[in-house]
Amino acid sequence: NAGVTQTPKFRILKIGQSMTLQCTQDMNHNYMYWYRQDPGMGLKLIYYSVGAGITDKGEVPNGYNVSRSTTEDFPLRLELAAPSQTSVYFCASSPWTEGTQYFGPGTRLLVL
Amino acid sequence: GQQLNQSPQSMFIQEGEDVSMNCTSSSIFNTWLWYKQDPGEGPVLLIALYKAGELTSNGRLTAQFGITRKDSFLNISASIPSDVGIYFCAGPVLKGNTDKLIFGTGTRLQVFP
Repeated sequence: NAGVTQTPKFRILKIGQSMTLQCTQDMNHNYMYWYRQDPGMGLKLIYYSVGAGITDKGEVPNGYNVSRSTTEDFPLRLELAAPSQTSVYFCASSPWTEGTQYFGPGTRLLVL
Repeated sequence: GQQLNQSPQSMFIQEGEDVSMNCTSSSIFNTWLWYKQDPGEGPVLLIALYKAGELTSNGRLTAQFGITRKDSFLNISASIPSDVGIYFCAGPVLKGNTDKLIFGTGTRLQVFP
């Protein structure tokens, strides 16, 4: 099993550009999550999904959108990139709501 | 909202020393998780605790679920250079119909040979 994979590993965006961060898991987990980690800080939940077709907002959803058309994939969309979205983005999955979460390697995003 | 406070924020120790760090909350948790994040990587689960008073070991790591259910402790014995990283505590919080993890701000560990 590859676990949780994320692409790209690193990206530079100009203000106002859009992009999609990809996340895929091969563990058949129902629950998937997107976090952002700002320098020197912990992780903050952006969006989460409890299964295909079901998504909900986390703590810091503004400026982001998600979709979950399959169990495996949970892409995160930035429509109009802003410097405040410069961060490291982590995708995670878990088998049940209280289950331990397995994290991907992260996508480092720089918005200039 | 609920938050987890970790201390110390950072530690600089010599190889071979023991390390202690803790995580506290103003609210009760039913589960405590300890993650480690290596530089440039995603967090990896070290230890999960599910019962007040529980003491669980994973190699040189030992974690305890506090009796009050408002704190947890992580100890590392005989530290080695590969222990370098950020250690996060985390706990599930029920929001809506789903538990979501909240994370502490982390303890940064640096080990010098």
